[in-house]
Amino acid sequence: KQEVTQIPAALSVPEGENLVLNCSFTDSAIYNLQWFRQDPGKGLTSLLLIQSSQREQTSGRLNASLDKSSGRSTLYIAASQPGDSATYLCAVRLNTGNQFYFGTGTSLTVIP
Amino acid sequence: DAGVIQSPRHEVTEMGQEVTLRCKPISGHNSLFWYRQTMMRGLELLIYFNNNVPIDDSGMPEDRFSAKMPNASFSTLKIQPSEPRDSAVYFCASSAGHTTDTQYFGPGTRLTVL
Repeated sequence: KQEVTQIPAALSVPEGENLVLNCSFTDSAIYNLQWFRQDPGKGLTSLLLIQSSQREQTSGRLNASLDKSSGRSTLYIAASQPGDSATYLCAVRLNTGNQFYFGTGTSLTVIP
Repeated sequence: DAGVIQSPRHEVTEMGQEVTLRCKPISGHNSLFWYRQTMMRGLELLIYFNNNVPIDDSGMPEDRFSAKMPNASFSTLKIQPSEPRDSAVYFCASSAGHTTDTQYFGPGTRLTVL
């Protein structure tokens, strides 16, 4: 079974800092990996989707990288803002089956 | 587009009662997913439909849970009878394809079973 781990579980940074969130997975035979944001009491919002053949994806201040061989992905947030405060989850889909495996998330607080 | 719509947003019921959660996917999307989120287990996929057909229901916890998708614009998740351990937030998500495309999540239904 695919295990998806996100470290740290919580992170607090001052506004303006660049930061990196980590996601690791045990089975490298993935189809794609997706990063989501979840605000309290809300659903998930997709941030970036990386196909298994890709190394990274960028959207605005966000950059996600994927290293399948080492079973790792990172989400880089540049010049953090208080509005970035949320829980960030990664999810992987394997080559076989339709199951999506989610990490438990990193709760980010950006302090003004 | 209004996004994925779920109802109700909150449901409080007593143990043993039947609960029905509803979902309207984004128009034109042909894949629909039901998830459950708890503090203990995180986000788990319950069942997944493609073109209204259930493809993978291996995540459905037990026979008390059932899901239907009678048409492309509507799905239900039913729990009968409900138990306190079913208390969770249930999310519905849809995507334009079932292989590579981004999933769009609804706001969720917070279920409390007393």
